[in-house]
Amino acid sequence: AQSVTQLDSHVSVSEGTPVLLRCNYSSSYSPSLFWYVQHPNKGLQLLLKYTSAATLVKGINGFEAEFKKSETSFHLTKPSAHMSDAAEYFCVVTGTGNQFYFGTGTSLTVIP
Amino acid sequence: KAGVTQTPRYLIKTRGQQVTLSCSPISGHRSVSWYQQTPGQGLQFLFEYFSETQRNKGNFPGRFSGRQFSNSRSEMNVSTLELGDSALYLCASSLWTRETQYFGPGTRLLVL
Repeated sequence: AQSVTQLDSHVSVSEGTPVLLRCNYSSSYSPSLFWYVQHPNKGLQLLLKYTSAATLVKGINGFEAEFKKSETSFHLTKPSAHMSDAAEYFCVVTGTGNQFYFGTGTSLTVIP
Repeated sequence: KAGVTQTPRYLIKTRGQQVTLSCSPISGHRSVSWYQQTPGQGLQFLFEYFSETQRNKGNFPGRFSGRQFSNSRSEMNVSTLELGDSALYLCASSLWTRETQYFGPGTRLLVL
């Protein structure tokens, strides 16, 4: 069975400091993993996707994530937070077929 | 390419009524998935359609149903609405199964 655990429900960082959003996954096979971002009252936007080609995945807006199979983790990072990064972030693992399993989300606050 | 579109964007219904939501996928995409998002339950998978066939179904009662047309457009229907059906309903499309899903802006349903 597939599942995702986002370890922090809320993260606050100061503008210009690094961002770390943590995600652990469970999967019975080689999954695809995604990070999506949702700004208030908006749909979900794809940040990046891991599909076994490379363990370090670069996404949009300076975000990247590293797949660590030994730790079953897929943490999202950004070197320097911007005010516009304030949003809800979701880690996703694929299941059988096309079903996506979403984490419970991490709310990122950026303090000016 | 135009993104995923969902209509209507907002709906207010009363208990016992039924509602139909519409989703137009990105041109060329054949898979459409539906999700329910609520503050308490987060993002939950409803069902997925591919080439007019339901491929996967989440753990929702039979009041929730859907279909897909030959042009890949999809509708979901909720009958006998309950207060707990108030949610943001998100549609996502992808080229094939297990491919990246692209989300629409959602339909916000309020049941009074």
